[in-house]
Amino acid sequence: DTGVSQDPRHKITKRGQNVTFRCDPISEHNRLYWYRQTLGQGPEFLTYFQNEAQLEKSRLLSDRFSAERPKGSFSTLEIQRTEQGDSAMYLCASSRYPSGVSEKLFFGSGTQLSVL
Amino acid sequence: GQQVMQIPQYQHVQEGEDFTTYCNSSTTLSNIQWYKQRPGGHPVFLIQLVKSGEVKKQKRLTFQFGEAKKNSSLHITATQTTDVGTYFCAGPTWSGGSNYKLTFGKGTLLTVNP
Repeated sequence: DTGVSQDPRHKITKRGQNVTFRCDPISEHNRLYWYRQTLGQGPEFLTYFQNEAQLEKSRLLSDRFSAERPKGSFSTLEIQRTEQGDSAMYLCASSRYPSGVSEKLFFGSGTQLSVL
Repeated sequence: GQQVMQIPQYQHVQEGEDFTTYCNSSTTLSNIQWYKQRPGGHPVFLIQLVKSGEVKKQKRLTFQFGEAKKNSSLHITATQTTDVGTYFCAGPTWSGGSNYKLTFGKGTLLTVNP
């Protein structure tokens, strides 16, 4: 019972196009994370928010990536000028903070991006 | 930066055999979490270990946290086909104050032959 919703489930785009993904976290969760996962790899951290504040962004993340959480509820992840290397599953997760030593993450089903 | 490594990368077993995956961190961890991802699914939280030497059990699954809090293991007794999936360990990477993120290992893919 994760309750994290992501839209769309699949996105096919041509190289150079912009794409935007949406994540709706569990309603009472104040932290929201974006991860990226490719085949055979673990989730790779991209960025996270606490309420509407973006607290950290991966240093490995290109400037083409931007995320927002304007009202501290849903979040969007935009990729500009997509490249074939951006093809991956984009996972959103939410959590309630603070919650013990470190909170557990509830993941959504992800958005599978294919860049042709 | 902190790295979390898992071995083996893949493990294929006959149903009824045991399975173990190991997780090692380059730094001491305040805690470690384990997640399971079924084929085509998303990671689902299994457990969190906090104390040095801690052992927790969930039915046929046994989780251990090393004494030095730099390694962990997940052992499944008498595997079943429902155990199929990728098992990830994840540890927090702190970036100052209360800011941290979970860093995931690459996971161990378990397949079970019925």
